[in-house]
Amino acid sequence: KAGVTQTPRYLIKTRGQQVTLSCSPISGHRSVSWYQQTPGQGLQFLFEYFSETQRNKGNFPGRFSGRQFSNSRSEMNVSTLELGDSALYLCASSLAGAENIQYFGAGTRLSVL
Amino acid sequence: GQQLNQSPQSMFIQEGEDVSMNCTSSSIFNTWLWYKQDPGEGPVLLIALYKAGELTSNGRLTAQFGITRKDSFLNISASIPSDVGIYFCAGQLPGAGSYQLTFGKGTKLSVIP
Repeated sequence: KAGVTQTPRYLIKTRGQQVTLSCSPISGHRSVSWYQQTPGQGLQFLFEYFSETQRNKGNFPGRFSGRQFSNSRSEMNVSTLELGDSALYLCASSLAGAENIQYFGAGTRLSVL
Repeated sequence: GQQLNQSPQSMFIQEGEDVSMNCTSSSIFNTWLWYKQDPGEGPVLLIALYKAGELTSNGRLTAQFGITRKDSFLNISASIPSDVGIYFCAGQLPGAGSYQLTFGKGTKLSVIP
């Protein structure tokens, strides 16, 4: 069974641009969560989607948004990029009813110049 | 937001030694998880704990869910070079609609051959 797949693995953008990251969950997993990982703040929760609906949102500005498609694939978008948005963005998927057990992808490394 | 205090921050040990790390919180958690992250990769789930007092093993790894539900520890016995990496504890807070995980800052393990 394939794991969580995130694309692209690496991205370089400049301030003010926007970016879209993609996540394909493990087959059969309908819950997708996104996290931001930085050396200073560690892993911080961004949002969680289930059946195309956002159920939880972390404490991030509105520039961070996401969506989920009917096949459970998810995207997150960051608009008006800032230098501080440079981070590893991780996607995790879980089974419905077992959202406490999350399996992570390898992440997308975003560098904002 | 909620914080998990993970210690130690880093450890240097000789191959063959046993390792112990722990996580504490001021809040009660429903689930405790332990992950390992290698450079450039996403966290990999090692052990999941669901009940206060639960003790679970996975090969040379043993983890326990504290009786108070506010702490957990992870032990690694007879360490080997491939144990090198960053170990994270994570927990799920109780409450309906709580689908996010809260993470500790990690313990960086170095194994000296």
